[in-house]
Amino acid sequence: DIQMTQSPSSLSASVGDRVTITCRASQSISPYLNWYQQKPGKAPNLLIYAASNLQSGVPSRFSGSGSGTDFTLTISGLQPEDFATYYCQQSYTTPWTFGQGTEVET
Amino acid sequence: QVQLQQWGAGLLKPSETLSLTCAVNGASFSGYYWSWIRQPPGKGLEWIGEINHRGTTNYNPSLKSRVTISLDTSKNHFSLHLTSVTAADTALYYCARGFIVTTPGYYYYAMDVWGQGTGVIVSS
Repeated sequence: DIQMTQSPSSLSASVGDRVTITCRASQSISPYLNWYQQKPGKAPNLLIYAASNLQSGVPSRFSGSGSGTDFTLTISGLQPEDFATYYCQQSYTTPWTFGQGTEVET
Repeated sequence: QVQLQQWGAGLLKPSETLSLTCAVNGASFSGYYWSWIRQPPGKGLEWIGEINHRGTTNYNPSLKSRVTISLDTSKNHFSLHLTSVTAADTALYYCARGFIVTTPGYYYYAMDVWGQGTGVIVSS
């Protein structure tokens, strides 16, 4: 299985901050990397697919980049509704695997 | 608007079979993959397996011996069965739709619609 490792596991941020979350795969998976946001008690919500493609309806302050084994999710101008946990997921090969999550907190 | 509505038994004893169903509203099965994912309390996400409209399945090898995912196109729903459950199977279970975007040389996959989640507790 492809192992996905996110860093940091949690971070503290304030409204308006630029936030960066990193995801590293155990092998090259470019560009098969997705990002999800999950709020407490809710299902995950797709933000970015194929490393850098913004899912329909997702605010443009979210962006994704990266290649090979290293990928980044950036939130430019953190909003109150962005405090949540973020997961990366590889779609290179099954079994699809997720990172352990990064909690963005105040 | 596509919605997934899921249900099933929430409390099981060890060795019993977990059975969950996910109804698909507003979309057909064709052209998509239909997945089950679980999340143990306070932990991350684990993909269990998927099925496409032809009934072709892919399972996580870690669960393959105990998992069956099936499709009922007449009722527009798909189901998860997990046998011989233990406390380690206690989790929030989600169904989800997997979509595919193709460009020359690439085949992108992501899960864009999720059910509301069903909590399953395994306890004697």
